Amino acid sequence: DTAVSQTPKYLVTQMGNDKSIKCEQNLGHDTMYWYKQDSKKFLKIMFSYNNKELIINETVPNRFSPKSPDKAHLNLHINSLELGDSAVYFCASSPYSLGGYGYTFGSGTRLTVV
Amino acid sequence: GENVEQHPSTLSVQEGDSAVIKCTYSDSASNYFPWYKQELGKGPQLIIDIRSNVGEKKDQRIAVTLNKTAKHFSLHITETQPEDSAVYFCAARPRGAQKLVFGQGTRLTINP
Repeated sequence: DTAVSQTPKYLVTQMGNDKSIKCEQNLGHDTMYWYKQDSKKFLKIMFSYNNKELIINETVPNRFSPKSPDKAHLNLHINSLELGDSAVYFCASSPYSLGGYGYTFGSGTRLTVV
Repeated sequence: GENVEQHPSTLSVQEGDSAVIKCTYSDSASNYFPWYKQELGKGPQLIIDIRSNVGEKKDQRIAVTLNKTAKHFSLHITETQPEDSAVYFCAARPRGAQKLVFGQGTRLTINP
């Protein structure tokens, strides 16, 4: 039983398209995150939700919009995709309402914009 | 904000030898320091963590040490095995911030 699952695993799309990545966790955790991992493997936080409420919104272009329909799901919608959006996007969850502790990561979504 | 520096970026050791990866952080109020292992094609996996009120923690072949005065912490892997080959990340949780800030990663290769 996968703890944090992301779909799709791979996504290849053209510039200008709109795409979504979905994340679900079955751990009962309170907090969920989106991190971006660039080609040099650097992990940078994008967003965080605690029980459906947005608590962290780093300096991310407005083209990126997270949505959390319930505390087990956190989706990421990207409008007008650009070449620089190509990266691996990781969803993670944390069991503590304060967040930042004991992350469990999903297996990632590799986004390639051509 | 918090800044985490990790060294070295690559590390190659002989099987059976020890490996040490070091990280420094900038925010003296950071209170939680985990280490993650990322294998090819997978997400990072928590392998050990330490809180700011503890100086050292050990779990079988891996250990983490924390020096709050110097603001650095290290991962020690003893008796390395080929399956230890992966990218390792350190991270720090700034006090009051509900997130982790990651180091740049270290690609560890264990040579048989």
